[in-house]
Amino acid sequence: DSGVTQTPKHLITATGQRVTLRCSPRSGDLSVYWYQQSLDQGLQFLIQYYNGEERAKGNILERFSAQQFPDLHSELNLSSLELGDSALYFCASSVGGRLLQETQYFGPGTRLLVL
Amino acid sequence: AQKITQTQPGMFVQEKEAVTLDCTYDTSDQSYGLFWYKQPSSGEMIFLIYQGSYDEQNATEGRYSLNFQKARKSANLVISASQLGDSAMYFCAMRDKTMDSNYQLIWGAGTKLIIKP
Repeated sequence: DSGVTQTPKHLITATGQRVTLRCSPRSGDLSVYWYQQSLDQGLQFLIQYYNGEERAKGNILERFSAQQFPDLHSELNLSSLELGDSALYFCASSVGGRLLQETQYFGPGTRLLVL
Repeated sequence: AQKITQTQPGMFVQEKEAVTLDCTYDTSDQSYGLFWYKQPSSGEMIFLIYQGSYDEQNATEGRYSLNFQKARKSANLVISASQLGDSAMYFCAMRDKTMDSNYQLIWGAGTKLIIKP
């Protein structure tokens, strides 16, 4: 158990809908990262938050947004969902995010299926 | 541009044998870190081992060791005495300083390892 929690574990929804994925980082970790893992594109970095502020953006679509709250939990919002958004969405956390040796610890993931 | 290459899409290994998973990387930075993660069929990503570019010794964690060859830009994962539970996808990742001063992980495509009984 990495200490990172994600809810829900599974999500099935329809195209055009909006969903929210939730993540709680390990105790003491200030950085949260969101990743998308699909069969054809591997692991893609979406966005990073540090202590409530956006720190880095990766390949995140405009239909997707995220935020980190004062209690450090984070939410990833996916809207106008398309079939291609079906994937495993991971949240990871680390202490700060600015050290080379800093390990990211991953949550169990949310498996999203868009029908 | 930074890049991680895992040339073995899949591998079959007999139980109890040692296995080497290949990873080569490309970076112009002198300071960087290399990570290996394991993803079993259940889906979670499990951190295995870390190697820093300035570390003089190869990293080891239990049955996992990292064969780090800096001049060749390779960081191969070695699993000794493989077990059935080692069957999983294995990802190599690198962190170096991106242009905007953030240290992001760059991921390889992964190697699917199957241990045969």
